[in-house]
Parts: sequence; structure tokens; C-alpha cells
Amino acid sequence: DVKVTQSSRYLVKRTGEKVFLECVQDMDHENMFWYRQDPGLGLRLIYFSYDVKMKEKGDIPEGYSVSREKKERFSLILESASTNQTSMYLCASRPGSRDQPQHFGDGTRLSIL
Amino acid sequence: GDSVTQMEGPVTLSEEAFLTINCTYTATGYPSLFWYVQYPGEGLQLLLKATKADDKGSNKGFEATYRKETTSFHLEKGSVQVSDSAVYFCAPSSSGGSYIPTFGRGTSLIVHP
Repeated sequence: DVKVTQSSRYLVKRTGEKVFLECVQDMDHENMFWYRQDPGLGLRLIYFSYDVKMKEKGDIPEGYSVSREKKERFSLILESASTNQTSMYLCASRPGSRDQPQHFGDGTRLSIL
Repeated sequence: GDSVTQMEGPVTLSEEAFLTINCTYTATGYPSLFWYVQYPGEGLQLLLKATKADDKGSNKGFEATYRKETTSFHLEKGSVQVSDSAVYFCAPSSSGGSYIPTFGRGTSLIVHP
């Protein structure tokens, strides 16, 4: 069965820390995505990747960066965490075919103190 | 770019009631249309999809028909159960959005026994 695994369900960090959120998929999917989910705002795209070492900015990339060194792994990096980055973060993957749905991980609830 | 309008929630129903969650969208060309569901504490998962006009997607008793003339993809279920309580997201995916799904804000459904 399809599996997208996010490294942590809950994470607490301090302002100014560099934070890494990891996502691994076992489906050999070309596309991977990072979203944040906030009440009343739905899902907002941070970054996505079409293939290894390729990345594109989404709607809200400020304060974030990403890394995709291997096809199965897509990392989200908060360069210097701030309290307004407290949120639920969701990772997703999708085959290269555009008619196919995304597969989501269970999310990481990140709190920045 | 693409945009989605979903009815605001929460939608509160009694068990066995009829459900409609409205979704209208703006998109370039002929998008693929998806409904995702998010159960408490989980990531999103695909509920159903339709890829061309007049297609009907269905799953777990839920249905939605791709209405090109009204750019709508309303979700319906004839008899809801308590276990259907979740947040539902409508998401078109089109060339205007680089085939990255655009998510609505989500509609929370609460079903009482």
C-alpha cells in the first residue's frame, strides 16, 4: 500500500532554531509537496518538487527552504524558526501523471516557542 | 491561477440525513477534479475524482459530478453516518495552476447519532 511517512507527529522548537521536517515516500513518485494547514485558511503550498534536485516555490515560501537529494525524500527546512510558523505541516507525493491524486502523510504539528 | 470556493462549515447533520457540500472553481482548460477527506488527527486522503466533463466520481456512498457548464463539483451522500465526520476539501488541478491542486478551505462535517 502507498505510504508517505513524516518523521515526527509533534515537534516543539524555539525561536531562531533551524528546524528540519522530513518526509519519505515508498511509491517511486516523481512529485512531492509541502503544505501548511491553518484553521480557516485550508492548505497552502510552500514548495514542491518535480524530480530529484528540482524545486519550485509555492504560494508561501518565505522563511522556508527544501531539499530533495533522493527521489524518496523531501525535506522542509525552517532556516530560523519564528512563532508565526507554528502550524500543521503536511507532506504529499504524486506520480508524474497529472490526473493522479496526491498521497498525504499524517502531518507534523510544529510549535515554535 | 485556479481558485476554489467551498461552502463554509461546520455542517451539522443527524445520522442518515442527506449531505451536499458545494464546490465551485475557476480554472484554465479542463481540470481534473478531486475531493479529499481528512479525519481527525490524520492527513488528507482521496475520496473521489473526475477527470472530464459529466464524469461522476464515487466512493463510500459519496458522489460528485463534473459539471463543466457551471464549473462545479458538488459532493453528495444520501445517508451520512457518524463515521463520516471529517473535513472535506475540493481540489481542482489544471494547467493554469501548473497541475498543482488548488485546495478549498475545507468544510467540516459533524454527524450526530
